[in-house]
Amino acid sequence: NAGVTQTPKFQVLKTGQSMTLQCAQDMNHEYMSWYRQDPGMGLRLIHYSVGAGITDQGEVPNGYNVSRSTTEDFPLRLLSAAPSQTSVYFCASRTVEDYGYTFGSGTRLTVV
Amino acid sequence: GEDVEQSLFLSVREGDSSVINCTYTDSSSTYLYWYKQEPGAGLQLLTYIFSNMDMKQDQRLTVLLNKKDKHLSLRIADTQTGDSAIYFCAESLSGTYKYIFGTGTRLKVLA
Repeated sequence: NAGVTQTPKFQVLKTGQSMTLQCAQDMNHEYMSWYRQDPGMGLRLIHYSVGAGITDQGEVPNGYNVSRSTTEDFPLRLLSAAPSQTSVYFCASRTVEDYGYTFGSGTRLTVV
Repeated sequence: GEDVEQSLFLSVREGDSSVINCTYTDSSSTYLYWYKQEPGAGLQLLTYIFSNMDMKQDQRLTVLLNKKDKHLSLRIADTQTGDSAIYFCAESLSGTYKYIFGTGTRLKVLA
């Protein structure tokens, strides 16, 4: 039981490049979310999903896309990277009953 | 709008108790959570409290909830150097799938 697995752990992108951050969970959790963590700003919700085929925007969705084709996977796509997207990205999942999110270990992204 | 506030830093001596405070604005929150983040790691759920409870104790951790003042606290008894980390308070907004996180309190434990 691996929990929430994120890849890669570190990534450097050039401005304008695109990439996909991978997230997979093996706990059969219905809800999955992507957060970004920036100094002094806590965690901000980018996108979330309440089940396969269902996604919605969080508070900072611009520049990011998501899809949820299976219960296990919830990839985050950066369409055209910008320096403002330099951050640490966390994927998290939880059950419908809401006893707290389980977080992955994060992806540290730098856009130059 | 919804907001969760925490002080940025707390320093305590090993063996003392630590109290980390949090205030929130949404009175309809269902659950309130405390997470711990160690350097380079993700957030680890420490404990949570349902909004109709006043207190919850779990080994060295005690959570107190004052709904009237919208104030949540986490007390760590007999604080150890391994407790040094950033602690986040979060609320689960009733009727939504959203959590609102505070900015985190960095706890430093002095030997």
